[in-house]
Amino acid sequence: DTAVSQTPKYLVTQMGNDKSIKCEQNLGHDTMYWYKQDSKKFLKIMFSYNNKELIINETVPNRFSPKSPDKAHLNLHINSLELGDSAVYFCASSHKETQYFGPGTRLLVL
Amino acid sequence: GESVGLHLPTLSVQEGDNSIINCAYSNSASDYFIWYKQESGKGPQFIIDIRSNMDKRQGQRVTVLLNKTVKHLSLQIAATQPGDSAVYFCAENNNFNKFYFGSGTKLNVKP
Repeated sequence: DTAVSQTPKYLVTQMGNDKSIKCEQNLGHDTMYWYKQDSKKFLKIMFSYNNKELIINETVPNRFSPKSPDKAHLNLHINSLELGDSAVYFCASSHKETQYFGPGTRLLVL
Repeated sequence: GESVGLHLPTLSVQEGDNSIINCAYSNSASDYFIWYKQESGKGPQFIIDIRSNMDKRQGQRVTVLLNKTVKHLSLQIAATQPGDSAVYFCAENNNFNKFYFGSGTKLNVKP
């Protein structure tokens, strides 16, 4: 009964490929997020959706396209993967201000 | 912006000692702050929060202090245990749903 779950946990792929990461929350929260954590552990917000509507887009390259089919799901599709996309991607959800994070997806682009 | 090129600061403490982790935030308009704990291989986990109308808040074994004058936040952990070993982040918020995270401090508890 994991609150925020992500799949896959690990993703190794070649440069230029297209990949997707899925996120689901069973907390009934209205707001979901994607964060990127680099090798220095710096955590930066990428996107936020509230009730399936995009509310935050932090100047992320348009190769990254979030999609929210319903308020319990926020998927992240990445086109034409680059070496610099290698990072850990965290999904999170919130009701008010407290965010609950998923376990992360470790993406390695070769 | 990103703290590119900076090594993650590390605090090493003996089991049973108190730990103090510091954080400087950048925006004087930030009115809500959270401390997160991130264990190896896991996502950040909420520890304690504080609003800008307070300067101290206590939880179980943890205390957060806020000094708005110098834009400084600290997390105090009493009687540190090996299970407290993790990376700790402060996050500031001045716009609902939008948090900015600090660069993190690694806490290493020696048995």
